[in-house]
Amino acid sequence: SQQGEEDPQALSIQEGENATMNCSYKTSINNLQWYRQNSGRGLVHLILIRSNEREKHSGRLRVTLDTSKKSSSLLITASRAADTASYFCATPDTGFQKLVFGTGTRLLVSP
Amino acid sequence: GAGVSQSPSNKVTEKGKDVELRCDPISGHTALYWYRQSLGQGLEFLIYFQGNSAPDKSGLPSDRFSAERTGGSVSTLTIQRTQQEDSAVYLCASSLDANTQYFGPGTRLTVL
Repeated sequence: SQQGEEDPQALSIQEGENATMNCSYKTSINNLQWYRQNSGRGLVHLILIRSNEREKHSGRLRVTLDTSKKSSSLLITASRAADTASYFCATPDTGFQKLVFGTGTRLLVSP
Repeated sequence: GAGVSQSPSNKVTEKGKDVELRCDPISGHTALYWYRQSLGQGLEFLIYFQGNSAPDKSGLPSDRFSAERTGGSVSTLTIQRTQQEDSAVYLCASSLDANTQYFGPGTRLTVL
């Protein structure tokens, strides 16, 4: 079953601008992860934030987690054309054995 | 190898034929996952292997789908009597700790 829902479904920005994507989920989690997918093929793990963390940074990525609202956001600062991809949030299922992926946000960064 | 590999990268088959998709996980990763992604959609979980435990097959869409993992390493996803709605990218991932998953490049299956 689909746990996460990303918003917006698609985002188009210019190089140098910031991109913000949001993810909402339904059940309690112990962590939330963000993945990137280029050209409809394999996904690449970007960052994991645990339920007791509120914010985490990795390079130009900033992830926040609000467990009271069951939501997370991914901010990409100073975007580049190479950031063009689909971005998915993922949360462990109730058995914490596998991940359930959201519907994804398609990001287009124009030069 | 350095990462998860999948073969073939592309497969075109005729409706009704059987296909086998292969996944080589990262060495030492005990967990292996298969997902399906239809055009423009999110990932649909298919099956999960963890060590020597019985696999979690809860995501398989029909009994035409099956998977096995030999020796705790290589996995094969088999689709029998393929249908056009089976056309999708099939992604394999492996994991050491059931958290971070490492994905292969996928197999794009087209059923004519």
